[in-house]
Amino acid sequence: AQSVTQLDSHVSVSEGTPVLLRCNYSSSYSPSLFWYVQHPNKGLQLLLKYTSAATLVKGINGFEAEFKKSETSFHLTKPSAHMSDAAEYFCVVSDQYTGGTSYGKLTFGQGTILTVHP
Amino acid sequence: DVKVTQSSRYLVKRTGEKVFLECVQDMDHENMFWYRQDPGLGLRLIYFSYDVKMKEKGDIPEGYSVSREKKERFSLILESASTNQTSMYLCASSLMGGNYTFGSGTRLTVV
Repeated sequence: AQSVTQLDSHVSVSEGTPVLLRCNYSSSYSPSLFWYVQHPNKGLQLLLKYTSAATLVKGINGFEAEFKKSETSFHLTKPSAHMSDAAEYFCVVSDQYTGGTSYGKLTFGQGTILTVHP
Repeated sequence: DVKVTQSSRYLVKRTGEKVFLECVQDMDHENMFWYRQDPGLGLRLIYFSYDVKMKEKGDIPEGYSVSREKKERFSLILESASTNQTSMYLCASSLMGGNYTFGSGTRLTVV
């Protein structure tokens, strides 16, 4: 079984300040982890993914996330927020195997709404 | 550009109606998925399919069924729509072990 907990439902920052969106996961197997972003009335966009290579993963638009197995965390960060970063962010875990076959089902966290103030 | 197309952006249906949500992908992906998205709950998996005519229940299949007669098309069926099925429905597809591509969603309102 796998699950994801996003620790904050809302995060508010000022433009130019750092962003931290927190995510803890649970997985029976070696997980793949993702962050997706959804801007208002837009589709889901993949920000970055971890698939057991480097533990620090760089994504698009200056975002990065660090996989910490000991803490079962995969927090998303950005050094300096921009107004265009305002959106909802989802932390996602993927199952590697289901009955011996990899289907890559995604399990989503509840989402974190990021607000950026001028 | 690769695409997952959902036939309707907005739908309004009456309680008790049979509702069909259609999804088509043009990438020859084996896997297709239906999720519903609700505020504060993220996306939850309803059903998925890993091959033509094959289907597996996700986390919340009750009240839904699916059909996959052709590789590129995956339909979600609400047998008898209820107000608690008012939601945003997202279709996605992927290759085995590959990245997902999501559709833009269908916002269904059941009145």
